[in-house]
Amino acid sequence: QKEVEQNSGPLSVPEGAIASLNCTYSDRGSQSFFWYRQYSGKSPELIMFIYSNGDKEDGRFTAQLNKASQYVSLLIRDSQPSDSATYLCAVANYGGSQGNLIFGKGTKLSVKP
Amino acid sequence: EAQVTQNPRYLITVTGKKLTVTCSQNMNHEYMSWYRQDPGLGLRQIYYSMNVEVTDKGDVPEGYKVSRKEKRNFPLILESPSPNQTSLYFCASSRDSYSNQPQHFGDGTRLSIL
Repeated sequence: QKEVEQNSGPLSVPEGAIASLNCTYSDRGSQSFFWYRQYSGKSPELIMFIYSNGDKEDGRFTAQLNKASQYVSLLIRDSQPSDSATYLCAVANYGGSQGNLIFGKGTKLSVKP
Repeated sequence: EAQVTQNPRYLITVTGKKLTVTCSQNMNHEYMSWYRQDPGLGLRQIYYSMNVEVTDKGDVPEGYKVSRKEKRNFPLILESPSPNQTSLYFCASSRDSYSNQPQHFGDGTRLSIL
């Protein structure tokens, strides 16, 4: 059973701090890694995706991938109260006939003013 | 505007009364998928479709049916709904199933089965 693990939180950080969200996955064949943000009762929206080992930066967000350790993380710099949401890590193995995403259960982030 | 559209957004119904949740995308995507989301369980895949007339079971397919007769539409059918199917449902699509393309989600359908 392929699994994606996240700390459920809540993770509480003060406004302006760096929030660090972590995710581990079990399938070594995983090729694509996504971070989605989901506000309560709303649909997931894509924040970042990463395919290669290392860091990928987009504005205040940095995704980090370490395939050897089967670990992916999301850093949010200068956290804002509007960043308060649940962050979903999703992992995909596009080999073979399957193209589905495996989601973690999400980490709830709370940014305190 | 590129989007995935689900209908209805909210539905309260009774056990055993057949219902269909529609999903349509306007991005010419090959891949479509249905998820349900429950507290503490996260997003779980129900069915997915890699192209027209090609569908397959996800992690929790019991009690659901799907069809993919046209590329843009992927309806979810509950033939005999039961209370344990009360959940928040999301339809999603992506360009295809074999490249590194993210999925785009609809706004969700909240189903309550009494």
